[in-house]
Amino acid sequence: AQKITQTQPGMFVQEKEAVTLDCTYDTSDQSYGLFWYKQPSSGEMIFLIYQGSYDEQNATEGRYSLNFQKARKSANLVISASQLGDSAMYFCAMRGLTIGNEKLTFGTGTRLTIIP
Amino acid sequence: DSGVTQTPKHLITATGQRVTLRCSPRSGDLSVYWYQQSLDQGLQFLIQYYNGEERAKGNILERFSAQQFPDLHSELNLSSLELGDSALYFCASSAGTGPYNEQFFGPGTRLTVL
Repeated sequence: AQKITQTQPGMFVQEKEAVTLDCTYDTSDQSYGLFWYKQPSSGEMIFLIYQGSYDEQNATEGRYSLNFQKARKSANLVISASQLGDSAMYFCAMRGLTIGNEKLTFGTGTRLTIIP
Repeated sequence: DSGVTQTPKHLITATGQRVTLRCSPRSGDLSVYWYQQSLDQGLQFLIQYYNGEERAKGNILERFSAQQFPDLHSELNLSSLELGDSALYFCASSAGTGPYNEQFFGPGTRLTVL
């Protein structure tokens, strides 16, 4: 079974500062993928970034980077130079990489509020 | 726009009723996933179809059923609705299996059971 833990229910960050959203995971799979999604107040789920368990380098996508520490089973999302539009719920998720094990397992989310 | 469409966007109905939620995946995507997002349960996987066949099942109630049609669109049927079924239901699609297989989410159907 897979489990995602997000321990920060809410965070307040000053605009233009960097922010780190925590995510730890647990799985018995040897290969897996880790994802971060953003859910604004409008409700849609927006894919942000992906990290494969076999990737040696941390993933980056524009202002988003994923701090992947496999031994600690953590996959923290770092947003640099935060903007007001970053205010949203953020979900960490993981999935297996074998047929029948492709579902996403989500954490409980972190509500990020950017303060002007 | 993810390319995944869901209809209707909002649905208000009464307890005991039956509703059908529809999803059209991105062009070419063979896999369709259904997720439920509720306040008490969070985001939960319900069921996955791949090219018309059920591939994986999650915490889907017996009152719920789904299918994927030959044109790859999918429907989620919810029957004998209860107040606790009120939630945001997402459909997601992906191209298939593979090491990197992003799931693209539709805008969701918000179901309110009164």
